Amino acid sequence: GQNIDQPTEMTATEGAIVQINCTYQTSGFNGLFWYQQHAGEAPTFLSYNVLDGLEEKGRFSSFLSRSKGYSYLLLKELQMKDSASYLCAVMDSNYQLIWGAGTKLIIKP
Amino acid sequence: ETGVTQTPRHLVMGMTNKKSLKCEQHLGHNAMYWYKQSAKKPLELMFVYNFKEQTENNSVPSRFSPECPNSSHLFLHLHTLQPEDSALYLCASSQDSGGPDTQYFGPGTRLTVL
Repeated sequence: GQNIDQPTEMTATEGAIVQINCTYQTSGFNGLFWYQQHAGEAPTFLSYNVLDGLEEKGRFSSFLSRSKGYSYLLLKELQMKDSASYLCAVMDSNYQLIWGAGTKLIIKP
Repeated sequence: ETGVTQTPRHLVMGMTNKKSLKCEQHLGHNAMYWYKQSAKKPLELMFVYNFKEQTENNSVPSRFSPECPNSSHLFLHLHTLQPEDSALYLCASSQDSGGPDTQYFGPGTRLTVL
C-alpha cells in the first residue's frame, strides 16, 4: 500500500531551527510537495522536490533522497507566524497526491 | 490570496437537507479537485476533473455529487449526509491533472452535519 509518515507534533523555540521529516512508500514517484496550513486556512504551497538534494527558498529548505524514500523540511530563524501544520505529499505514478497526516508545529517564545 | 475561492465558508445542515458547495478558480487552470480533510487524518481525494471531464472518483458515496460546468467552476452537491461526513472540504486547482503540477487550494468549507 501507499504510505506517508511524518511526526504528529513538534515544538520549537522562536529564532531556532527545526527539521520536519517525512518518509514515504508509494506506487511510483513524480515528486514530493510540502505545504503549510494555518488553522482554518487553505494549505499553501511551500516546495517541490523531484531530484535528490536540497532546495533552498529563503528561510525554508527542503531535502529529498529518493533511494531512502525520505524528505525533510528545514525551517530557520523560526517566527511565531510559522506555527502551523506542515503537510508532506508525494505525487504517485498517476499524478495523484498521496498525503501525510501533517505535522503540527508549535513555536514558543 | 484569491486564486481559489470557496463558498460558503461554514455550513451546518441536517441529515435530510440538500446543499451545495461552490468553488471558483481564477488561475486559468484546467484541473479541479475536491478533497475531504478530517482532524488528524491525511487529505482524502474525492473527485478530479480535467478539462471539465471527471477523471477520478475515489469510491465516494453517492450522497456526494460533483458538477463541473466549466474549467473555472466546481460544485459539490450534498444530500442525506451522515454525521461522519462532518469535515473541512477543500477545493484545489492545477494546470493539468496529468502532470506534476502544483495544486493550489481554496480556504475550504467547514461542514457540520447534525
